[in-house]
Amino acid sequence: DAKTTQPTSMDCAEGRAANLPCNHSTISGNEYVYWYRQIHSQGPQYIIHGLKNNETNEMASLIITEDRKSSTLILPHATLRDTAVYYCIVHISGGSNYKLTFGKGTLLTVNP
Amino acid sequence: DTGVSQNPRHKITKRGQNVTFRCDPISEHNRLYWYRQTLGQGPEFLTYFQNEAQLEKSRLLSDRFSAERPKGSFSTLEIQRTEQGDSAMYLCASSLPGQGFEQYFGPGTRLTVT
Repeated sequence: DAKTTQPTSMDCAEGRAANLPCNHSTISGNEYVYWYRQIHSQGPQYIIHGLKNNETNEMASLIITEDRKSSTLILPHATLRDTAVYYCIVHISGGSNYKLTFGKGTLLTVNP
Repeated sequence: DTGVSQNPRHKITKRGQNVTFRCDPISEHNRLYWYRQTLGQGPEFLTYFQNEAQLEKSRLLSDRFSAERPKGSFSTLEIQRTEQGDSAMYLCASSLPGQGFEQYFGPGTRLTVT
C-alpha cells in the first residue's frame, strides 16, 4: 500500500469548513483513497472513498488532485461532534485483501 | 441498534490468565475483521474471516492468540497466558460482500493486563 502523510493535529472553528489534507505521492493507478474517523472511545467510522474524481456524500467531500498525489477531506460545516482522529488510507480495491492499514491520523479539534 | 456489538466492553485480567472476547457483526455481513489498537496509534489488523473461513492472519497474531467464527456468525478472539503487552483496545469490524473497505466497527473491548 502507498504510504500516506497527514498532519498530526488541526483546529477548526465550529460552523466553518474543516479541510484535512493527506499526501500519498507514491499512490498507484489502481489504489483508492479512503477516509475513516474515530471519535474518542468509539470504533472507526467509514466516511468516504474515491479513485480519481471528487466525491461527495452526506458526511463530507473528497477532493483528489489531478496527479492523485494528494487529497483533501472537507467537512463543510464542522460541529463539535466532528472532533475526532481522521485517517487517510490508500489501498487497492478488490481481490481478497481487505485489511485496512491505519496510520496515526490527524486529530481534528472543533472549537466552539 | 443493528450495528456491530462487542462484549465485554472492558476486561481487567492478571498476567497469565486467559481471556475471550466476543463480536457480533451486522447480520448480513459475511466478512469479519479483528484489529488491535494501542494508545496513540491507529488500529492494526489482526485477522479476517469470510464466512467461517479465517483467510488471513497478521504476524501480530502470535500463537497465544486464536480467533474463531463458527457457522459464519459471531466471532471470538481468545488470548492465552496474557502479557502486559497485550493491553490494548480490541476492535471488531464487519463488511458486506464486495464492499470490504467500507468496514463497520464495533465499540471495542478494552483489555488491561495487570
